[in-house]
Amino acid sequence: DTGVSQDPRHKITKRGQNVTFRCDPISEHNRLYWYRQTLGQGPEFLTYFQNEAQLEKSRLLSDRFSAERPKGSFSTLEIQRTEQGDSAMYLCASSLETSGDYNEQFFGPGTRLTVL
Amino acid sequence: AQTVTQSQPEMSVQEAETVTLSCTYDTSESDYYLFWYKQPPSRQMILVIRQEAYKQQNATENRFSVNFQKAAKSFSLKISDSQLGDAAMYFCAYRSAFGGGSNYKLTFGKGTLLTVNP
Repeated sequence: DTGVSQDPRHKITKRGQNVTFRCDPISEHNRLYWYRQTLGQGPEFLTYFQNEAQLEKSRLLSDRFSAERPKGSFSTLEIQRTEQGDSAMYLCASSLETSGDYNEQFFGPGTRLTVL
Repeated sequence: AQTVTQSQPEMSVQEAETVTLSCTYDTSESDYYLFWYKQPPSRQMILVIRQEAYKQQNATENRFSVNFQKAAKSFSLKISDSQLGDAAMYFCAYRSAFGGGSNYKLTFGKGTLLTVNP
C-alpha cells in the first residue's frame, strides 16, 4: 500500500509527558500537512511543509508543539508537557504540489492521543 | 477567515434511497475549491467529490453529486441509491484557489454522521 501512514495509531500518555508522532507521506508528495481533530469537530489545520521547509503554522500550534520534516520525507510532530486538552486525533495529509490545478490532499489514518 | 457550517449533525437514510447533506460556507474570495470528504469509522478520510468555484456545472461522481449555489454560498451533497458502505462521517471542506501562505489548508465543517438503515 502506498498511501499515507501514521505511527502509532493510538497513544495513551500521562499529563506532562512528551509524545512524538510520525507520518510517512506518499513517496513523491512534496507537501505535508498536520491537522488536529477533536471529538465532534472537523479537522483543524496545524501546520504544513513544502519539502523540508515548514511554511505555515496555525495559532493552534502552541510552543509545546514542534514539527519537523527532515530531508523532505517523513515528518514528526512532538508535543511536550502534554495536557488533557491535547487529547485528539492527529491527522497527517500529503499532496503533490504542481502549478495551476488544485492538489488533492490524501489523509493518513491518524494517531489518536489520549492524555490522562 | 473562511468558515464552513454543516447544520445537520446526524442524518439517516434507508438503503437504496437518496439523501442530501447540507453545507454552507462564508468567504470573501472569488475563486476557491469545495470538497466533500468521507471518514468511515476508524478509517482514513477519503475525498468523495470536489467542485471548483469558477465552474458553474455541478460535479458528479457516480452516485454522488453536488448542488453548488455560489451566490447563496451553499454546497450540498446528494447520495443516490444509498449503500450500507456509505455510512460514515461526511465533512464539507473549503480551500482557497490562491496559492501562498496557509491558503493550501483545508477548512472543515463539523461533519454530518450518516447512518444507512438496511
